[in-house]
Amino acid sequence: QGQLVESGGGVVQSGGSLRLSCAASGFTFSSFGMHWVRQAPGKGLVWVAFIWHHGGEKEYADSVKGRFTISRDNSKNTLYLEMDNLRAEDTAVYYCATSLSSSWPPEDFWGPGTSVTVSS
Amino acid sequence: DMVLTQSPGSLSLSPGESATLSCRAGQSVISDYLAWYQQKPGQTPRLLIYGVSSRATGIPDRFSGSVSGTDFTLTISRLEPEDSAVYFCHQYGSSATFGGGTKVEIK
Repeated sequence: QGQLVESGGGVVQSGGSLRLSCAASGFTFSSFGMHWVRQAPGKGLVWVAFIWHHGGEKEYADSVKGRFTISRDNSKNTLYLEMDNLRAEDTAVYYCATSLSSSWPPEDFWGPGTSVTVSS
Repeated sequence: DMVLTQSPGSLSLSPGESATLSCRAGQSVISDYLAWYQQKPGQTPRLLIYGVSSRATGIPDRFSGSVSGTDFTLTISRLEPEDSAVYFCHQYGSSATFGGGTKVEIK
């Protein structure tokens, strides 16, 4: 069974940077598109970014475009999210998840999340 | 970005009743790539439905999905106390989007 584990969260001041990692195991990571999704305390799920299985194409939510960068290293089975110029509204639990469009039937894996707090 | 609008924001029903949750897409969803998730407090989302109407592994047939144009529906029949949760729709055909969620409370 596939497993994802995020790391790298923490407390950072407004304008600062963080790099999140997501380690994958138990499935063929290089065959899956991957998402970062965030959830502010008591709020809903918000899609942040997506990267194709080969890493060649990336997509971002308007709210993070130009500040966040998604990347992956298929040789290390690891997904990354580089977050710059952080704002208070970026405070959330960040999840990595497999893309439902990468397999049929879909294999849906989520990590437990890593918490990011941006203090002003 | 595609917008998904869920309604109602919350509903409170009794065990045995049926719940009808709506998710309206701002435009056509590519390849019927519309899913539904269930999330309970302190847990990660659990996939219920993918491809509009296909149940994920282990999901009981009390959960069903349907569509009419750009209006998607999740129906939960014969509600059980364990169905108390927040339900999100999710489109994954054009980038990705989540709806705002519907909170279901079982009285």
